[in-house]
Amino acid sequence: RKEVEQDPGPFNVPEGATVAFNCTYSNSASQSFFWYRQDCRKEPKLLMSVYSSGNEDGRFTAQLNRASQYISLLIRDSKLSDSATYLCVVNEYGNKLVFGAGTILRVKS
Amino acid sequence: NAGVTQTPKFQVLKTGQSMTLQCAQDMNHNSMYWYRQDPGMGLRLIYYSASEGTTDKGEVPNGYNVSRLNKREFSLRLESAAPSQTSVYFCASIPDGDGQPQHFGDGTRLSIL
Repeated sequence: RKEVEQDPGPFNVPEGATVAFNCTYSNSASQSFFWYRQDCRKEPKLLMSVYSSGNEDGRFTAQLNRASQYISLLIRDSKLSDSATYLCVVNEYGNKLVFGAGTILRVKS
Repeated sequence: NAGVTQTPKFQVLKTGQSMTLQCAQDMNHNSMYWYRQDPGMGLRLIYYSASEGTTDKGEVPNGYNVSRLNKREFSLRLESAAPSQTSVYFCASIPDGDGQPQHFGDGTRLSIL
């Protein structure tokens, strides 16, 4: 079993749609969690951290379920510019980060 | 504010050649990392350095060596390049403290013929 698993997609959605991605992790002792965005094999960029209480940043909402060991990302009112690969990242311990393979999102007009 | 700087951005090598990928950060971070990214796969950790003078192997260290020259610089060396090392290489650093995200360089696109 991979340490961090994501549905690779692609998710093809129309503009304005709501889309959700899930990510599961295997190490129950994992400390912190992130969603990164990556465009066309450019460097990953932090989208948002994920907190136990859930957190929201504009159209983006991230949630963490420690009991089931999964993280989710919800994007509302999708824009063309949201098209990218979304990486789930888990900090297992001591700043050892493990990356999922990514979920591809394509938003179409 | 430069952040994490990688050089070169692109490189083509022949099998058996050697080269060093350079990485420098100006954010006074202790921890630095080298990853490779291949199509359909997530970033895989090659080596990391928790502080100046220390280095540790990651998930895929074979065929690579690293050097943490000082707090700012962390270089990755391919002693004898192989086609299987064709990849995109990312350097990253992370601030001290729990729950901190990584900062990435722009990447080095390396092709080995």
